[in-house]
Order: sequence, then structure tokens, then C-alpha cells
Amino acid sequence: GESVGLHLPTLSVQEGDNSIINCAYSNSASDYFIWYKQESGKGPQFIIDIRSNMDKRQGQRVTVLLNKTVKHLSLQIAATQPGDSAVYFCASSRASMNTGFQKLVFGTGTRLLVSP
Amino acid sequence: EAQVTQNPRYLITVTGKKLTVTCSQNMNHEYMSWYRQDPGLGLRQIYYSMNVEVTDKGDVPEGYKVSRKEKRNFPLILESPSPNQTSLYFCASSWTGADEQYFGPGTRLTVT
Repeated sequence: GESVGLHLPTLSVQEGDNSIINCAYSNSASDYFIWYKQESGKGPQFIIDIRSNMDKRQGQRVTVLLNKTVKHLSLQIAATQPGDSAVYFCASSRASMNTGFQKLVFGTGTRLLVSP
Repeated sequence: EAQVTQNPRYLITVTGKKLTVTCSQNMNHEYMSWYRQDPGLGLRQIYYSMNVEVTDKGDVPEGYKVSRKEKRNFPLILESPSPNQTSLYFCASSWTGADEQYFGPGTRLTVT
């Protein structure tokens, strides 16, 4: 079946370092990718997204890279801060073969720990 | 304020007792979805809806029902809950499903 997986369940970094969280997806028909941040006790919050016609997109302190050849997605966080500590999920979306509606498939999440 | 609300936030129930978790959004979004979150498994989609009266199964629909009679509401129904449905449930909404989804605060359900 279709899957989205993250490479590391936990990533520990020092404050000020750059963080890179990786994700792999299995379905080459996926055409939209998104990263979410989930803090303890809260619902996921949108960070950044990218469509399959792009290979890089930048936001504030975050960059998403998409490599469709190897079906790999990464999230880079510059100058990581303690407030970045959370679980990060990647997700890929594609149209359902039955209905044409969009379905999101989430990865299992990487916990980012930022120490001062 | 744009938001997705869910009720209740916490629920403890017994096997077989029907329950409904409500979800409402105030952004006039077309797309709404339910997910369950379990340790080590991430978020898995249960059902989603593209518009009023239009719903489709996600990856783990067994044991759940949904309805979309109004655009703003998308309740999740467990007709006969079982302990394996103990989980953290999230409702989300967006314009198309292939765009930023806004998540509710979650409902923690325990079935004994």
C-alpha cells in the first residue's frame, strides 16, 4: 500500500543549529506535499507545502526540498530555537482513483528536541 | 477567528455504546476530514468529505460513520465502539484537500 515514512523518529539538535528532517514517500502519483508541526496537546499546524512542479520552496526560517526522482522530501529549519521543539509530520496528497478527491497520507512523525 | 472546533475534547465510554464526536468549521471550507492518531502510526485518515452529502473512505474507515448534511459540520459516529478505537481523533478542514488543512484541537477517546 501507499506509505509515507520519516527516516528518524527523534532528532536532537542544539539551539542555533540548522535542523534537517527527512521523509520518503512511495507513490509516484503524489502531487502535493506538506509539512506539519504538532506541539504537545495540540492539533497539527501547517508549516509549509510544495507541489510536484517545484523542487524547492522557502518560508520564514524553513525550506522544503522535493526530490521526485528518489521520492524524498526534506524540511530544513534554520537557526533552530527551543520553540521549534515538536513532532514534525510530512504528508503527501494525491487524487483518489475512485472519486478524484484528494487524500492525504501522513508519515509517522519525527520528534525534534532542541537543547539550549 | 478562523477555527475548527471539536466536542467533546475528552470522552471515556464503554464498549458498544454509540457516540458522536462533533466537528465544526467557520471558514466555509469545502473539504473536511477525520483522522486518528496512534503512537508510532502517525495520523491516519478515517473519512473525508468534499462537499455536502459527498463523503469517501480514508485508509481506516472500519467501525466509523460520517455525515455531511451542512457545509460547516462533519460529525464522526461510532455506532458500536470497541477498545481498539481508543485513540486521539482530529478533525480538519481546507478548501480542496490538496492545500493547508486546519486541524481541530483533538478528541481523546477511551473505550473500555
